[in-house]
Amino acid sequence: NAGVTQTPKFRVLKTGQSMTLLCAQDMNHEYMYWYRQDPGMGLRLIHYSVGEGTTAKGEVPDGYNVSRLKKQNFLLGLESAAPSQTSVYFCASSSTGLNTEAFFGQGTRLTVV
Amino acid sequence: ILNVEQSPQSLHVQEGDSTNFTCSFPSSNFYALHWYRWETAKSPEALFVMTLNGDEKKKGRISATLNTKEGYSYLYIKGSQPEDSATYLCAPHTGKLIFGQGTTLQVKP
Repeated sequence: NAGVTQTPKFRVLKTGQSMTLLCAQDMNHEYMYWYRQDPGMGLRLIHYSVGEGTTAKGEVPDGYNVSRLKKQNFLLGLESAAPSQTSVYFCASSSTGLNTEAFFGQGTRLTVV
Repeated sequence: ILNVEQSPQSLHVQEGDSTNFTCSFPSSNFYALHWYRWETAKSPEALFVMTLNGDEKKKGRISATLNTKEGYSYLYIKGSQPEDSATYLCAPHTGKLIFGQGTTLQVKP
């Protein structure tokens, strides 16, 4: 069982470039989340999804878009990357039961120069 | 935006010391309280998920309590070991998971 897999693991972008981060889970989870980790700021929620075809904004959604066309995949897009988006991005998923834990991917380190 | 406060922000203890951290959150619209352990260069892993007021969970030397009426949870580590060094995150589930900033624990041998 792979669990939650993020692609790519590392990426360097130039300011203004676009890219998509892929999160794939094989646990049939309904909930999926995208977080960013910055020094001293813990994990901040960017966007999340409570099921296939649904998305919602989190704490820091500006500059990002997401799509959940298939239940197992949650895509995070940066249309025009900015240096402020340099961060480590984590994806997580969980089942519908609100008392069940979330499982995290291994993270994607993105640098925007 | 949900305000989740964790204290202290960081903690340095000697091996064998017992310690505890606090997680405070708004008590309305609350479904469950999650605790995660996050080691450097790894991904967060779940410790506990608690839902009921007065709930207590235990895993080895680590335990947690929950007070949903006043909106706080405590995490206790008994007899800290160097391998307990990590960042401990809490997150109330209100239909989405919002994390606090975490408490970073360093245990010196």
